[in-house]
Amino acid sequence: LAKTTQPISMDSYEGQEVNITCSHNNIATNDYITWYQQFPSQGPRFIIQGYKTKVTNEVASLFIPADRKSSTLSLPRVSLSDTAVYYCLVNNAGNMLTFGGGTRLMVKP
Amino acid sequence: GAGVSQSPRYKVTKRGQDVALRCDPISGHVSLYWYRQALGQGPEFLTYFNYEAQQDKSGLPNDRFSAERPEGSISTLTIQRTEQRDSAMYRCATRTREMNTGELFFGEGSRLTVL
Repeated sequence: LAKTTQPISMDSYEGQEVNITCSHNNIATNDYITWYQQFPSQGPRFIIQGYKTKVTNEVASLFIPADRKSSTLSLPRVSLSDTAVYYCLVNNAGNMLTFGGGTRLMVKP
Repeated sequence: GAGVSQSPRYKVTKRGQDVALRCDPISGHVSLYWYRQALGQGPEFLTYFNYEAQQDKSGLPNDRFSAERPEGSISTLTIQRTEQRDSAMYRCATRTREMNTGELFFGEGSRLTVL
C-alpha cells in the first residue's frame, strides 16, 4: 500500500500562496492522488484529484511530477477561512482509502 | 437523500454495552467506507463495501467490531461490549463508483462516548 508523508503543520499569512507537498514513493501505476480539507467538527471535504502533471479547479491546483512520487497542493491567496487540516490520499488499487496525519495549516491575519 | 446521513449524532453508553451506528448513503452511491477519528488525528480506515459486499475489513480493531450493508444501501457499524478506548468520532463516507477515482462524501459523524 502506498504510504503518504506530509508536513505536520504550516503557517501562512492572508493573501499568500501556500504549497503543501506530499510524498508517496510507493505509488502504483493505477493510483490517483486526492486531497481533502477538514475543518474542526466536520468531515473531510474533497478538494482536488489528479493522476499526473497539473490539475486546476476553482479552489486549488495540484502539481504532480513525472515520477509521481510526490504531489503539491497549491492554494492561491489564502484567507483565514483556509485554516484547516489538509490530507493527501493515494487511492490504492484495492480502494482501501487511507488517510495519514494531514497537514495543519494556520493562516494568520 | 441530499447527503450522507449518520445516526445517532451523539451516543453515550456504558462500558460493556453494544452500540449500533447507522449510515444512510447518498442515493446511488456504490462504495461506502467507515472511519474512526480520534481528536487531533486523521481518519482511521475501518472497512468498506462495494454494493453489499464487504471488500476489506482489515482496519477493524478487533472482533468486537463488525459492519454490514445487507441491501447495498444503509450500513450499520456495530461495536459489541464497548470499552472506553472505543470512544471516538465514527465517520461514514460514500462515493459513486467502485473504481479508484471519485470523491468521498462524508457524513457528519457519530460521536461515541463510552463511560
